[in-house]
Amino acid sequence: DIALTQTPLSLSVSPGQSTSISCTSSQSLIHTDGKTHLSWYLQKPGQSPQVLLYEVRNRFGGVPDRFSGSGSGTDFTLKISRVEAGDIGTYYCMQSIQLPYTFGQGTKLEIK
Amino acid sequence: EVKLLETGGDLVQPGGSLRLSCVASGFTFSNHALSWVRQAPGKGLEWVAGITGDAQGAYYADFAKGRFSISRDNSKSMLYLEMKSVRLGDTAVYYCVEGGPYFDVWGQGTRVTVSS
Repeated sequence: DIALTQTPLSLSVSPGQSTSISCTSSQSLIHTDGKTHLSWYLQKPGQSPQVLLYEVRNRFGGVPDRFSGSGSGTDFTLKISRVEAGDIGTYYCMQSIQLPYTFGQGTKLEIK
Repeated sequence: EVKLLETGGDLVQPGGSLRLSCVASGFTFSNHALSWVRQAPGKGLEWVAGITGDAQGAYYADFAKGRFSISRDNSKSMLYLEMKSVRLGDTAVYYCVEGGPYFDVWGQGTRVTVSS
């Protein structure tokens, strides 16, 4: 199975500041179709997860451009600019290049 | 509006069986792959099983193989997860999710508790 390692596992950020989360894969996530199947999710407290980004950097509909993704191969980053109170929750990366799909351990974001 | 609604979660004894259901609305059901993803109390997300839109392909995590069975009824826009020989470690909220290779719609989840 492909292992995804997220760092850090927790973050405390002041409103208006920027922060980033790293996701490292045990194998390349570049598919033969040329796409990289790495997506990011946010699970707000008490809610179901919601997709933020897919194929590394594509924002899902309605996701603010404060959320951006980068990386290639095995190393990926989610950047959150101008953090807001509503951004609190746990962030997960997920790979879908190979079954079983796997998630990172999650990174919990809190606001200072 | 695209929606997924899970039902069927319950308290079940170790070794018992349970069937989870998920009804979908707001999209052409048969065109979309679906999966079950679970989350144990206080833990992260774990993919359980997935099925293609035409139900010709079903795929499982190793822990689910031989015990869980995913199926769908496209005429009813329903997704199912049959769980047999459940274990304490199967205690979790089970989410019905739409999509592949990324999950763009999630249900609210249904809670399965395995306990004697």
